[in-house]
Formats: sequence, C-alpha cells, structure tokens
Amino acid sequence: DAGVTQSPTHLIKTRGQQVTLRCSPKSGHDTVSWYQQALGQGPQFIFQYYEEEERQRGNFPDRFSGHQFPNYSSELNVNALLLGDSALYLCASSSGTSKNEQFFGPGTRLTVL
Amino acid sequence: LAKTTQPISMDSYEGQEVNITCSHNNIATNDYITWYQQFPSQGPRFIIQGYKTKVTNEVASLFIPADRKSSTLSLPRVSLSDTAVYYCLFYSGTYKYIFGTGTRLKVLA
Repeated sequence: DAGVTQSPTHLIKTRGQQVTLRCSPKSGHDTVSWYQQALGQGPQFIFQYYEEEERQRGNFPDRFSGHQFPNYSSELNVNALLLGDSALYLCASSSGTSKNEQFFGPGTRLTVL
Repeated sequence: LAKTTQPISMDSYEGQEVNITCSHNNIATNDYITWYQQFPSQGPRFIIQGYKTKVTNEVASLFIPADRKSSTLSLPRVSLSDTAVYYCLFYSGTYKYIFGTGTRLKVLA
C-alpha cells in the first residue's frame, strides 16, 4: 500500500500565478482533506471532499478551490498567488465518517516569489 | 471559534515519561481528540485518538478529563527518535479540523 501520495514535491511560482496540487488517497479511503502549514506553525484546515463534493471548508478565501475525482483522488487549486501562500500543503485521507483517523501525505512545498 | 493551546517546547531525557497537555476551549460534545507526531518536512503521523477517559495503544496513552477541556498525551520511555513536534487535533461535528499550536519535544541522551 503506497499510502497517501502527493505531487509535486516542490513547486516555485511567482505572485499572481495559479497552481494545482494533486493527491492520491490511501487505498480504501474515500475522503480527502487539504491543509496549509506555514513554516513553524500547525496545519490549517482548508477543505474536505467526500463523494466528489466539498463537504466543509475552513477560513480560506475563494482563491482556494478543489476537486475530487471518481477514483477519490483530489486536486487543490490556488489562484492569484500571494507571497503569503508559501507553505507546505498537506493532503490527508480517511474513510467513512470524519471522525476516523486521517492519514497524511508528505506534502507539497510551495514557494511564491 | 474553538481554539487549542499547547506548551511551545519540552525537553526530556531518554527513558523518561513525557506528558504533553493540550487545552481546548469550546470543544463540542461530539468532538474527538487526536494526537499527531510530525518530523521536519513530513506529514503528521497519527499517534492516538480518544473521546473521554483514557485510551492506550502500543505507543502512547491519552487522558481526557470529564470536562473534556484538555487532554494529555503520555509517551512512556521516550527515545531520541521521539524528537519531533506533537500536535493535538480536535474534530468538530461540523466537519472542521483544528490543530493545536504544537509542542516541540527534544529528547536528550
């Protein structure tokens, strides 16, 4: 079992650009959550996808959007990048209800110049 | 809005027991409390999860008092490889996840 995988590992963008990050959940998991972790801080919940729909989102602007595919993989899109969007973006997968254990991927390090 | 608070850092020696407490205000009655370990440049790794009283697994114990306004992660006999950042996480019944501020544990030889 490959666990949760994310791509790319690292990414460098400039302000104003758009970025797409990808996540494949752990085998058997149908729920994907995305988090933003700034350097030295704890992860902040962005949103969660289940059955191809956004089930809930945290306090993030509409520049952050996502998608879940029929195979349960997911994408995180960020438009009009700001310097403050530089962070480690983590994907976590789980099964069934949101109370279940979340398995995290290694993350994508996004740097905005 | 619910928030969590943890000590910023802790030092311990190998073989000692370490207890890390997380305070969480306004936690809803149906919230679970989960603890994660994170190494630099890696995703958080699940340690233990509980709802009330005490939960124990092969690596840790979790103590949750009756008022559920705090929880304590207990790591028995830590080793150098336990040096990491530890986060509490509580799950809201409205499907939102809130991580604690994180505790940086340093285990000394």
